[in-house]
Amino acid sequence: NFMLTQPHSVSESPGKTVTISCTRSSGSIASNYVQWYQQRPGSAPTTVIYEDNQRPSGVPDRFSGSIDSSSNSASLTISGLKTEDEADYYCQSYDSSNLWVFGGGTKLTVL
Amino acid sequence: EVQLVQSGAEVKKPGESLKISCKGSGYSFTSYWIGWVRQMPGKGLEWMGIIYPGDSDTRYSPSFQGQVTISADKSISTAYLQWSSLKASDTAMYYCARRLSSSFDYWGQGTLVTVSS
Repeated sequence: NFMLTQPHSVSESPGKTVTISCTRSSGSIASNYVQWYQQRPGSAPTTVIYEDNQRPSGVPDRFSGSIDSSSNSASLTISGLKTEDEADYYCQSYDSSNLWVFGGGTKLTVL
Repeated sequence: EVQLVQSGAEVKKPGESLKISCKGSGYSFTSYWIGWVRQMPGKGLEWMGIIYPGDSDTRYSPSFQGQVTISADKSISTAYLQWSSLKASDTAMYYCARRLSSSFDYWGQGTLVTVSS
């Protein structure tokens, strides 16, 4: 099976833009959709990006997703950072056997 | 309104068995896969497996195959996660979630399982 590797933590100031990466260890990042979940402390995760770059209704357009085949990675970009964006973020994808994998998670600090 | 409501927190001893539940409402329970996700204290999300309640087709992560059993009772719109012999390392929050295409779109509130002697 493959792994998804994320930075352990990132931090940025309110109003700025931050990008969180998610690198796939084997197999093409483009071959299976990537999703991103936000998890605030004490709460269940919620989807902020699905199918690489789609936003569920209710998720602000400050959140965007992309993939880069050259680095075999996906990225979550959050612009106009707000303190409420402070949370853990997880990428997720799957393989041809329909087995799903989560990345290790990235703690976003907005300071 | 789609809802997944999980059973309450459990405190068990090592070696005991346990079955936790996830009841779906507000949608056709048999038409969507339900997955289970583990989150150990202070750690990340781990995909355990998934079941299609319509025909009970089940897939397991290799890490959890043989360690847990996922099942569903479509007559009461409920999915289950069970252990036959708990270990201290099973202490975690367990979430169920509904699969929509390639993502989980609705999540349960989580069930905290504590295994301690």
